[in-house]
Amino acid sequence: GAGVSQSPRYKVAKRGQDVALRCDPISGHVSLFWYQQALGQGPEFLTYFQNEAQLDKSGLPSDRFFAERPEGSVSTLKIQRTQQEDSAVYLCASSSDARNSNQPQHFGDGTRLSIL
Amino acid sequence: KQEVTQIPAALSVPEGENLVLNCSFTDSAIYNLQWFRQDPGKGLTSLLLIQSSQREQTSGRLNASLDKSSGRSTLYIAASQPGDSATYLCAVSLVTGFQKLVFGTGTRLLVSP
Repeated sequence: GAGVSQSPRYKVAKRGQDVALRCDPISGHVSLFWYQQALGQGPEFLTYFQNEAQLDKSGLPSDRFFAERPEGSVSTLKIQRTQQEDSAVYLCASSSDARNSNQPQHFGDGTRLSIL
Repeated sequence: KQEVTQIPAALSVPEGENLVLNCSFTDSAIYNLQWFRQDPGKGLTSLLLIQSSQREQTSGRLNASLDKSSGRSTLYIAASQPGDSATYLCAVSLVTGFQKLVFGTGTRLLVSP
């Protein structure tokens, strides 16, 4: 497709379950970002990939959060042993060139995660 | 630590009014500043990107300005329309940290017919 695609759009899980969220970036985009958006707040940075390399994971809130992009295209964000405070919208963004800092980031529609 | 603030938090105007949204940031070491639009249940749509060396950018009825030294940006919307109703987010791209974005909390705009 032409844009960033995220799946599932909605995910409901019971506390303690593991979840996996998928992001398909725009084809050929080198840079991929994950953000977390709580209700009524702006997105907050979680982690950054340049191709398959995870170069910045400073925003991951705990070691229960894990992200990968093994072939430099699709990325998966995994949350283990989910807790209620993990409930949020998880947004993925991609941009075309890591070296050109003035390329805009293109966002997907997000996955809304609800932990019961 | 970079902090981004947006005021007002919410704004309601009648159709046809011109309006200004404000954004301020605490650290002037930025690559660029971006304005996004977010509709309910949707992701972010990039509206304008102002590079750190630029003063303003325009797209249609939208004009964004940047004063990096004072840490301020404004988004001007001319002749507002009901379709402009959305949340508008300002974000700065950090010089350090692989251009990750730091966002404000947004301004929720409602334009009434």
